[in-house]
Amino acid sequence: DTGVSQDPRHKITKRGQNVTFRCDPISEHNRLYWYRQTLGQGPEFLTYFQNEAQLEKSRLLSDRFSAERPKGSFSTLEIQRTEQGDSAMYLCASQTSMAGQTQYFGPGTRLLVL
Amino acid sequence: DQQVKQNSPSLSVQEGRISILNCDYTNSMFDYFLWYKKYPAEGPTFLISISSIKDKNEDGRFTVFLNKSAKHLSLHIVPSQPGDSAVYFCAARHTNAGGTSYGKLTFGQGTILTVHP
Repeated sequence: DTGVSQDPRHKITKRGQNVTFRCDPISEHNRLYWYRQTLGQGPEFLTYFQNEAQLEKSRLLSDRFSAERPKGSFSTLEIQRTEQGDSAMYLCASQTSMAGQTQYFGPGTRLLVL
Repeated sequence: DQQVKQNSPSLSVQEGRISILNCDYTNSMFDYFLWYKKYPAEGPTFLISISSIKDKNEDGRFTVFLNKSAKHLSLHIVPSQPGDSAVYFCAARHTNAGGTSYGKLTFGQGTILTVHP
């Protein structure tokens, strides 16, 4: 299976701890997106990479959040000093830059902050 | 500011009948619309899309209709099957001011579809 993968699938942490999630996109996809989904809502855009360049960040992405894609392949999303409001499903998606192409999502990382 | 809205939180349909899921949007800068299906504890799975220059796209049992003047789109599933039971999200893709799309999606809140045998 060469779809988008995310690790870990589940993470439980205590308030104030740092967490890091990883996303491996489909290999030929140069665009990578992070979204966050809370209960009863659709996914909300967080940030976007074209190759290794981070081209847009949502205002939802506070200073405690940082994302990287150092070699233009996998990406990491780190949350520092987690808060209970950070509890959500964090989704990664990838896409080629060709016109009309679709974003394909990974299975997500479910974060619970106690 | 909810730019993409799915006003029906849930829909219940008998197997074999048509399911119609609706979506409204407000932003004229959207250039592509997509429907995703999501099961619990999984990521969204792409179903079907439509360009803003078209009014219909069909793929097997799934058809998406776009009414640009009303800023409304709908997903028709015919015939509905119990395996179609899931949450369905409507999503719209942004273009920037220069008309170039970089792919950021705005999602609706989702509609829970239940297909009864």
